[in-house]
Amino acid sequence: AQSVTQLDSQVPVFEEAPVELRCNYSSSVSVYLFWYVQYPNQGLQLLLKYLSGSTLVESINGFEAEFNKSQTSFHLRKPSVHISDTAEYFCAVLRTNAGKSTFGDGTTLTVKP
Amino acid sequence: KAGVTQTPRYLIKTRGQQVTLSCSPISGHRSVSWYQQTPGQGLQFLFEYFSETQRNKGNFPGRFSGRQFSNSRSEMNVSTLELGDSALYLCASSRTPSNEQFFGPGTRLTVL
Repeated sequence: AQSVTQLDSQVPVFEEAPVELRCNYSSSVSVYLFWYVQYPNQGLQLLLKYLSGSTLVESINGFEAEFNKSQTSFHLRKPSVHISDTAEYFCAVLRTNAGKSTFGDGTTLTVKP
Repeated sequence: KAGVTQTPRYLIKTRGQQVTLSCSPISGHRSVSWYQQTPGQGLQFLFEYFSETQRNKGNFPGRFSGRQFSNSRSEMNVSTLELGDSALYLCASSRTPSNEQFFGPGTRLTVL
């Protein structure tokens, strides 16, 4: 079985400050790792993914995440946040060849002016 | 390329009724998964279909069912609705079960 723990349910930060959203996972089988973002009344948008290769992955809007196998973590970071980054962020693991994602409980990022 | 589409976007039903939700995957995607999102339980996996076969099922009662058609479109059905079924139902498609999933906008079901 897989499980995902997002260590912070809410993260308030000021605009232009750095932010880290923490995610730990456990799995006895091979998984892929994802971060999704959800804006109010919308579905999930894929932010970035780790499938294999380089452990540091980046998104087009400045977010990055690093896969750490020894610590079973996949923390999301951004060096300078904008008001528009306010949203809920979900960390997920996808069991390969199973089509089933397991999600964390989400982290609400609130960026204040 | 069009994204995942879900219809309807909003539904209001009363207890005891049944409902059918539809999901059209991205063209070329053959795997469709369904999730329920509620404030209390978060995102929970319902079931997954690939090539018209249900391959995985989450821990939901038998009132929840689904199917996939030959064109990869999928439907899920909930019978004998309960208040607790009020949720956002999300459909995700992927090329195969081993590829990343792309989510639709969801269907917001309210049971009165």
